[in-house]
Amino acid sequence: DGGITQSPKYLFRKEGQNVTLSCEQNLNHDAMYWYRQDPGQGLRLIYYSQIVNDFQKGDIAEGYSVSREKKESFPLTVTSAQKNPTAFYLCASSYRLAGGDSYEQYFGPGTRLTVT
Amino acid sequence: AQSVAQPEDQVNVAEGNPLTVKCTYSVSGNPYLFWYVQYPNRGLQFLLKYITGDNLVKGSYGFEAEFNKSQTSFHLKKPSALVSDSALYFCAVRRLVGGGNKLTFGTGTQLKVEL
Repeated sequence: DGGITQSPKYLFRKEGQNVTLSCEQNLNHDAMYWYRQDPGQGLRLIYYSQIVNDFQKGDIAEGYSVSREKKESFPLTVTSAQKNPTAFYLCASSYRLAGGDSYEQYFGPGTRLTVT
Repeated sequence: AQSVAQPEDQVNVAEGNPLTVKCTYSVSGNPYLFWYVQYPNRGLQFLLKYITGDNLVKGSYGFEAEFNKSQTSFHLKKPSALVSDSALYFCAVRRLVGGGNKLTFGTGTQLKVEL
């Protein structure tokens, strides 16, 4: 899991509540990503950020929000607008070289969110 | 659009036998391909990548992958499987369209190595 931490490991919330998932990295990576994993569907990209104070929507951004105020941190908020929030959430980071190229992404240990 | 397919949901192999986990890709331009492994309730661990160069790429834990341009495949292989190799394996391709440095993942293949 390298130098990426996600907390907590397990999170339980009631429907209608917003919840924020933490992601911190000490790898000095510029780029950070949030994925959602559901059984049999692989990983789907929620949001990503190439640099501080900038982020873009991924494939399934509806019902989620992010911020990138520091290079080391990329928190994800799951809002009450997300229709099916129960899932395993993975944060990742990577280098961002000149010209927009980057190497492989490194992943945190994940947060399993259960909403009832 | 860049995509990868993992045609097998599960692969079973006996310990000591060679293993292959299949991946095919569809890209415009040169492919950047990756393999990751995931143990239960854990994050993904990077195994290896193909960017350019030799078609046979060697990675972590004795794994290797063969890039085949004519067959658009990037199969993961290991000469002798271990029970501890049992895990979920993902193939991924880097997206080049639309900016950013995003990966598209396959749906994963569950590898089960039995004694």
